[in-house]
Amino acid sequence: AQSVAQPEDQVNVAEGNPLTVKCTYSVSGNPYLFWYVQYPNRGLQFLLKYITGDNLVKGSYGFEAEFNKSQTSFHLKKPSALVSDSALYFCAVSRKGSNYQLIWGAGTKLIIKP
Amino acid sequence: DAGVIQSPRHEVTEMGQEVTLRCKPISGHNSLFWYRQTMMRGLELLIYFNNNVPIDDSGMPEDRFSAKMPNASFSTLKIQPSEPRDSAVYFCASANGRTYNEQFFGPGTRLTVL
Repeated sequence: AQSVAQPEDQVNVAEGNPLTVKCTYSVSGNPYLFWYVQYPNRGLQFLLKYITGDNLVKGSYGFEAEFNKSQTSFHLKKPSALVSDSALYFCAVSRKGSNYQLIWGAGTKLIIKP
Repeated sequence: DAGVIQSPRHEVTEMGQEVTLRCKPISGHNSLFWYRQTMMRGLELLIYFNNNVPIDDSGMPEDRFSAKMPNASFSTLKIQPSEPRDSAVYFCASANGRTYNEQFFGPGTRLTVL
């Protein structure tokens, strides 16, 4: 069965430090991987995606993610965290032939402290 | 582009009443998704449409829930009769119909059933 795991419910990082939000997946075939962010009282916003090609994907707001096929991971990273990055982050996966569905992780709350 | 539009933004109703949530997807998008988000269960896919046709409604919790998409620019999610456990934020999202294309979320409808 397809699944996405975000092992950390919450990640705390000091402003200016690098941040990592972890995501691992289980899917048959080649995955399409996504990160979304949700600010308080807002809908989810697309950050970045991996479809094929370069394993390092760059997205909005200075975020990037690295696809690691051997570890089935797609961790979200940012070199220097901002207080405004504090939000809920969701990882999701789909695959060709899955009828457009995204399988969602449970979300990780990222808190950036000044 | 106005993005995905949802109405109402907030709905407070009493148990047993009918509730109708509305969604206007982004023009040109041919896939539409209804999600429900709660603290306890996280983000759940209720139903999705492709070219106005329901593809998978296995996430619809009960027969009290129904969704329609009469045309490419409008969808409704109806709960009849509503129950307190239906209280949640309901999101509509649209995409242009490829499994690797990102979904665009509306701002959500916060439903409270008393």
